[in-house]
This record gives sequence, structure tokens and C-alpha cells, in this order.
Amino acid sequence: SQKIEQNSEALNIQEGKTATLTCNYTNYSPAYLQWYRQDPGRGPVFLLLIRENEKEKRKERLKVTFDTTLKQSLFHITASQPADSATYLCALEGASGTYKYIFGTGTRLKVLA
Amino acid sequence: DSGVTQTPKHLITATGQRVTLRCSPRSGDLSVYWYQQSLDQGLQFLIQYYNGEERAKGNILERFSAQQFPDLHSELNLSSLELGDSALYFCASSYTSGLYNEQFFGPGTRLTVL
Repeated sequence: SQKIEQNSEALNIQEGKTATLTCNYTNYSPAYLQWYRQDPGRGPVFLLLIRENEKEKRKERLKVTFDTTLKQSLFHITASQPADSATYLCALEGASGTYKYIFGTGTRLKVLA
Repeated sequence: DSGVTQTPKHLITATGQRVTLRCSPRSGDLSVYWYQQSLDQGLQFLIQYYNGEERAKGNILERFSAQQFPDLHSELNLSSLELGDSALYFCASSYTSGLYNEQFFGPGTRLTVL
């Protein structure tokens, strides 16, 4: 079955450091992958989309990489701030059915002041 | 504010009952997606409609059904409710179908089944 794995353990980092979150997927070769931010009790908010032919995508302090050989995407937040504290989800579009739109369970990031 | 509205915000009901959740997509968006999020399962795709027609079906129980109306708003009907149906239900919308478009999520409906 198609699956996304994100580190379920919370990631605590100091303000100003770079946070790196990992998204691994199996049994599929997605054409693109998305990253979302979710705050407690709220809907996810889209951050970035990266296509399979793009190795890297940047938006302000955010950077996403996509390694189709390793079946992995890395999400970086540079110069992290306490306001970046949230859960970050990766998502991809699968083939069909239950695996049509697959979201990872997310990694909770806490940036310490 | 994503532009997607969901009502009601909270819903408390009893086992065996039936409820209807409503979603209005962003202006101009043709696709509506429904997701269920519970603490132990993450965000699970239920069903997608595109311009009034069912486009993709995910992990949706037979007790659940949905539709998208001509004005593009959508309703998710949950019947014969069980304790395990307690969760946050999100609606999302996008202009077309597929994840090459970002999905805009609503604020969710928190369903509690007692």
C-alpha cells in the first residue's frame, strides 16, 4: 500500500536554527508533493509544492527538496522563530481510492525562544 | 481566512444519530474534498467532488455519503453514528482536481459522538 512516513516525534529546536523535517514515501512515484502547516484545531495551510523534476524549491525562509531516488522530501525552515511552531504535513497524490490524496501524520515542531 | 466555510463548528450528538456537515468552497473553486482527522489516524481522505460529480473516493464508510450541489457547496452526511466517528472533519477546495493545485482547507467541524 502507498504510505507516507513522517517523524512522529516532536522536534524541538532553538530559535534561529534551521529545522529539517523528513517525509518518506513508499510504493509510489508521485509527480509532485506538497507541504502544509497545521496549527492545533485548525485546517492545514498550504506552504509549498515541488514537482518530480524539481530538486529544490524555495519560498522565503522555507526550502523543500525532492529526491525521487530515495523517495524522500526534506522540508527546511531557516532562521526559525517561535511563530514557526506547528505541525507540518507532507502530502502526495496517489493512484486512486483510499490512496488518492495521502497526508502524512505530520511532525510537530517547537521552536524554543 | 482560506475562504472555505464549514458549518457547524461544533456538533455533539449521540450514537445512532445522523448529522449533516456543510461546506462552501472558495469562490471559483470547482473541487471539494472531505477529510477526517482523528488523533490516532492523521488526515484521512474521504471523498472528492468536482463540479457536481464524484471524482475520487477514499476511505469513506458506507454509513457516510456526500454530494455537491449546483452552487458547488457540499454536504457530508454521517449516519448510524458510532463513538469512533468522533473527529475533526475538514472540507477543502481547489480550482481544479489534483494536488498540483493547492488545497484550501476550511476551519473544520468538530464532531463528538456520545
